[in-house]
Amino acid sequence: GNSVTQMEGPVTLSEEAFLTINCTYTATGYPSLFWYVQYPGEGLQLLLKATKADDKGSNKGFEATYRKETTSFHLEKGSVQVSDSAVYFCALTNTGFQKLVFGTGTRLLVSP
Amino acid sequence: SQTIHQWPATLVQPVGSPLSLECTVEGTSNPNLYWYRQAAGRGLQLLFYSVGIGQISSEVPQNLSASRPQDRQFILSSKKLLLSDSGFYLCAWSRANAGYTFGSGTRLTVV
Repeated sequence: GNSVTQMEGPVTLSEEAFLTINCTYTATGYPSLFWYVQYPGEGLQLLLKATKADDKGSNKGFEATYRKETTSFHLEKGSVQVSDSAVYFCALTNTGFQKLVFGTGTRLLVSP
Repeated sequence: SQTIHQWPATLVQPVGSPLSLECTVEGTSNPNLYWYRQAAGRGLQLLFYSVGIGQISSEVPQNLSASRPQDRQFILSSKKLLLSDSGFYLCAWSRANAGYTFGSGTRLTVV
């Protein structure tokens, strides 16, 4: 079946540090890939997405590239801010019903 | 524009009491609807999904049930809550090529 594996957290960084959160997936067919962000006490917001191999999703300084050869969709940001502290979820949908399958989430803590 | 409303935001209920969480969608028709749960320290688990009125599919056997009495209304229920039902419940909707939109969530604490 479809599954998503994320690196365990928390990830603790100082402001302006470089961020990478690893995500790999297992899926049949050609999934679409997503990163969602959950700020404290809130629901989920779509951060970025990619719908086919080699696509790069980007938003708010975050980027992720759909790598079919390594079945990965790692999230990166060149310089994190305290306001980026949140839980980040990698997810995929496959064709058909579009059920969204999530990874376990990675908590990011950014200190001043 | 499309919006999704979920309530209540927080809820504290005793063990054995009933539960009803409601989710409504505005600005779209015939959406796919979903209930997810996020337990403490764990990821998001799909509980139920619905492709139309009265059509409910359960992903995980449990103490909960779902209903869709109207096109844009999705209700999560329980007759008797367990301690293990505590968590953060998220409603979401999707349509083809429109991605997912999540509600703001309900934090349920069963005491």
